Amino acid sequence: SQTIHQWPATLVQPVGSPLSLECTVEGTSNPNLYWYRQAAGRGLQLLFYSVGIGQISSEVPQNLSASRPQDRQFILSSKKLLLSDSGFYLCAWSLWGQYEQYFGPGTRLTVT
Amino acid sequence: GNSVTQMEGPVTLSEEAFLTINCTYTATGYPSLFWYVQYPGEGLQLLLKATKADDKGSNKGFEATYRKETTSFHLEKGSVQVSDSAVYFCALDSGGGADGLTFGKGTHLIIQP
Repeated sequence: SQTIHQWPATLVQPVGSPLSLECTVEGTSNPNLYWYRQAAGRGLQLLFYSVGIGQISSEVPQNLSASRPQDRQFILSSKKLLLSDSGFYLCAWSLWGQYEQYFGPGTRLTVT
Repeated sequence: GNSVTQMEGPVTLSEEAFLTINCTYTATGYPSLFWYVQYPGEGLQLLLKATKADDKGSNKGFEATYRKETTSFHLEKGSVQVSDSAVYFCALDSGGGADGLTFGKGTHLIIQP
């Protein structure tokens, strides 16, 4: 069966510091991968998605970036965090041709 | 563009009450529709789905019917339990599966014993 991992689970970082969040999927090949952000009191906002290694599409202009160095690894990064980057970051995967997505446990990021 | 509108709540019910959470959508084409549930501090879990008009998705006592004529996908459960307390998200996908889902803002459901 497929599983999705995210780490760290929680993170507190000062403004201006760098960020690296990692997501890995097990038990499947060539998944579509997604990064979402959930801000307090809001729904989920799609940040990036990827249909293959090195292929990244950005949905929202911001100071975040994403990379996919391996088939089942998806990384969310920032060079300098802003207060507004605080939130709950969720990684998800899906298979090509299937509509449902499966989510990881999330990372709670607090920028102070 | 695509959008999903759902009641935000919080919705507070007593145990064994009947639940309805409304969801309406705007989309081009024929989207697939989903309900996800998020328990405190966790990621989202797929609760149920429907991929075409008049389909009924069901799981764990929850049901939702894809109504194209009213562009709705309301979530219902006949008798809620305290363990159903969570945030529920309605979502749609009209991009062929690769472009990500469009979510509503979520409905916080609180079930009191």
